[in-house]
Amino acid sequence: ETGVTQSPTHLIKTRGQQVTLRCSSQSGHNTVSWYQQALGQGPQFIFQYYREEENGRGNFPPRFSGLQFPNYSSELNVNALELDDSALYLCASSLGVGVDTEAFFGQGTRLTVV
Amino acid sequence: DAKTTQPNSMESNEEEPVHLPCNHSTISGTDYIHWYRQLPSQGPEYVIHGLTSNVNNRMASLAIAEDRKSSTLILHRATLRDAAVYYCILRDGRDDKIIFGKGTRLHILP
Repeated sequence: ETGVTQSPTHLIKTRGQQVTLRCSSQSGHNTVSWYQQALGQGPQFIFQYYREEENGRGNFPPRFSGLQFPNYSSELNVNALELDDSALYLCASSLGVGVDTEAFFGQGTRLTVV
Repeated sequence: DAKTTQPNSMESNEEEPVHLPCNHSTISGTDYIHWYRQLPSQGPEYVIHGLTSNVNNRMASLAIAEDRKSSTLILHRATLRDAAVYYCILRDGRDDKIIFGKGTRLHILP
């Protein structure tokens, strides 16, 4: 158990719909990152939030957006869902930013778009 | 971006040591070497990290070549629970994001 919790664990949506995924960081962690993991692939970096501000973004379109709240929990929103958005979405929290930090991952949300 | 190269898969026998190699010939002086692993149906899990010197923790050891162009993750006594995908990652001092490659799928034979 890492202390990072994600909800829901599984979700089925229809193409064109919108979805919100939630992440509760480990206590005291002020940085959260989101990843998309397609079947058989490594996780792909979506974006990172540090103290409620976006602190870097991967190669994902603007319909992927996020928020970090004052308690450092976070949301990932995806608009206009496409079939290729079907994947495991992972949230990771850490204390601060920097290359010497350890990230703690949640179990993920399995999103299926039909 | 600095890149790593790992074998796609490896096999090892239970209760024997496992050496997982990683090549990173374009590593820069400020890059940290991190290892994460992902067990089936779980999120990635931190294993170990280092900069120049060899590192040990309760899970594994990290041996870093003197020129830092390669490193080896050592599991001293593999168990069935160690079957996972192991990712070797360089974290750039200018951009600290964790960028995953394809990793090595480790199979443990009973």
